[in-house]
Amino acid sequence: AQSVTQPDIHITVSEGASLELRCNYSYGATPYLFWYVQSPGQGLQLLLKYFSGDTLVQGIKGFEAEFKRSQSSFNLRKPSVHWSDAAEYFCAVGRRGYQKVTFGTGTKLQVIP
Amino acid sequence: NAGVTQTPKFRVLKTGQSMTLLCAQDMNHEYMYWYRQDPGMGLRLIHYSVGEGTTAKGEVPDGYNVSRLKKQNFLLGLESAAPSQTSVYFCASKGTLGEAGELFFGEGSRLTVL
Repeated sequence: AQSVTQPDIHITVSEGASLELRCNYSYGATPYLFWYVQSPGQGLQLLLKYFSGDTLVQGIKGFEAEFKRSQSSFNLRKPSVHWSDAAEYFCAVGRRGYQKVTFGTGTKLQVIP
Repeated sequence: NAGVTQTPKFRVLKTGQSMTLLCAQDMNHEYMYWYRQDPGMGLRLIHYSVGEGTTAKGEVPDGYNVSRLKKQNFLLGLESAAPSQTSVYFCASKGTLGEAGELFFGEGSRLTVL
């Protein structure tokens, strides 16, 4: 069974600082990997996704993530955080031809001035 | 350009009451899902559907029923609500089997069971 671990429940960064959110997955074959963002009171919005090819993927709002097969990781990064990035971030894993997507427990990001 | 629409957005029930949440999507997606979101637990899959007339159980199906009579609609029912079902419920949809696996989410339905 596929699973996702987000080890950080809550992260606080200063505005302008860099950000890295961790995600580790467990899955035997090549996974489909996603990062979603959820603003308070809203649904989830896709930030970026990895299916194959270049292991560094670019997403919306200046986010990027790197797929590292050897570490079973798909960490989300942003070079300079803005106050509007405060939200909850979810990593998710799926695979081609498989109906279900499994989500991690989320990381809540707080941005301080 | 509605995408995925959930109704109602808020509901308060008493223990033992029943209700139905409606999810509608206008993207002609084959797959539809119901998740519940609870603090510290992320999103957990309740039931899903791979096409009109089909349903399947997810991780936490007990106490819920679903129906997909029309391709664009996916209904989640609670026959006898319990306080443990207090949660935020999200509907999502996805394209066909061969397509990329991006899920499109509704804005959520907050349910409180007293």
